[in-house]
Amino acid sequence: QQQVKQSPQSLIVQKGGISIINCAYENTAFDYFPWYQQFPGKGPALLIAIRPDVSEKKEGRFTISFNKSAKQFSLHIMDSQPGDSATYFCAARIIQGAQKLVFGQGTRLTINP
Amino acid sequence: DAGVIQSPRHEVTEMGQEVTLRCKPISGHNSLFWYRQTMMRGLELLIYFNNNVPIDDSGMPEDRFSAKMPNASFSTLKIQPSEPRDSAVYFCASSLGAGSGYTFGSGTRLTVV
Repeated sequence: QQQVKQSPQSLIVQKGGISIINCAYENTAFDYFPWYQQFPGKGPALLIAIRPDVSEKKEGRFTISFNKSAKQFSLHIMDSQPGDSATYFCAARIIQGAQKLVFGQGTRLTINP
Repeated sequence: DAGVIQSPRHEVTEMGQEVTLRCKPISGHNSLFWYRQTMMRGLELLIYFNNNVPIDDSGMPEDRFSAKMPNASFSTLKIQPSEPRDSAVYFCASSLGAGSGYTFGSGTRLTVV
């Protein structure tokens, strides 16, 4: 119940295309869903986050889509660029109490020029 | 703000030796997390602290691992004795309260030979 399942494990997209990474969860007590971006040799960095009271959040080329009834959320990267090549992690957390993030397994994204 | 500072960046040690990893969280952050990252297991939470108190150490793999947070600005993760299977990148992260994202350090790459 504490798991967040992420897919795909790896993804190759052509420059200018749309990259889509999906996550699913079981625990309905989760109420904060961030995405992290990690470049080689660096720690994960917060990219964008959403709470379940909205169905979509957009920041520049990055959009989170959230489907509360399906318990799924996804990251869309529009006009993907080679500089977006990184590993992406979805995560979920119960805001009250434990404050512990549960991470997905990660998606290695490669944008071909 | 210098962010979360980890030391050393790289550590190579022989099996059986004691290893100590260090972390300085962002000033004012009241939660601190130790993660381990490997290709096989992804990001694993080892232990986290709230207000310097260990809250959940269920991710600590075995008694060879221990963590301390003597004050709000410093934490250590110790492995004694180290084994080759402990080779991984260890990340420290900190956060400020509920609803905040984590800020990760750059990690310590540990190699046990």
